[in-house]
Amino acid sequence: DQQVKQNSPSLSVQEGRISILNCDYTNSMFDYFLWYKKYPAEGPTFLISISSIKDKNEDGRFTVFLNKSAKHLSLHIVPSQPGDSAVYFCAASDGDMRFGAGTRLTVKP
Amino acid sequence: DGGITQSPKYLFRKEGQNVTLSCEQNLNHDAMYWYRQDPGQGLRLIYYSQIVNDFQKGDIAEGYSVSREKKESFPLTVTSAQKNPTAFYLCASSIDTGPRETQYFGPGTRLLVL
Repeated sequence: DQQVKQNSPSLSVQEGRISILNCDYTNSMFDYFLWYKKYPAEGPTFLISISSIKDKNEDGRFTVFLNKSAKHLSLHIVPSQPGDSAVYFCAASDGDMRFGAGTRLTVKP
Repeated sequence: DGGITQSPKYLFRKEGQNVTLSCEQNLNHDAMYWYRQDPGQGLRLIYYSQIVNDFQKGDIAEGYSVSREKKESFPLTVTSAQKNPTAFYLCASSIDTGPRETQYFGPGTRLLVL
């Protein structure tokens, strides 16, 4: 039973454009959400987080949006750069952390 | 530099063999975790430890065992009872197991069955 779903296994965008990665969850008890970035043969690294009391958190080129009523989370990267090419995992926690399956982002020069 | 190290990077297991994956952290974190990643799936929790000499099963603990004799170390043994061990294994740590703790990951170990 996947409580956190990333329905797009891959996404390709042009350098300089916006990348939007989406994540849906089913457990309404989740109150903390994170995005991790993973390069091949490396462990995930923490990117950005948001608590359920907020609907937006911004850190440089990265913004996470939370829509609690829709149980939907998204990560926006603006502008996208080739170095952003990686697999992005969303995660949600109610004390136990659950991860989505990941979305592979490719940013083309 | 503070961080989490995992060794080896690649590990091969023969049928019926137990193998142990190493995880060490120098972040002074109390909590440590082991995850398994399979293609097309999210990270699944195998075991976690909130404190030395204490650990709990995660969602897929069958066929695995752990120990936590030192704060810095949380080795994972993949036993012969684990029938499908081929996967990418990730170790993580966090300050504690609170709901808003960020987990920090090691580079992973890829286990392959011969």
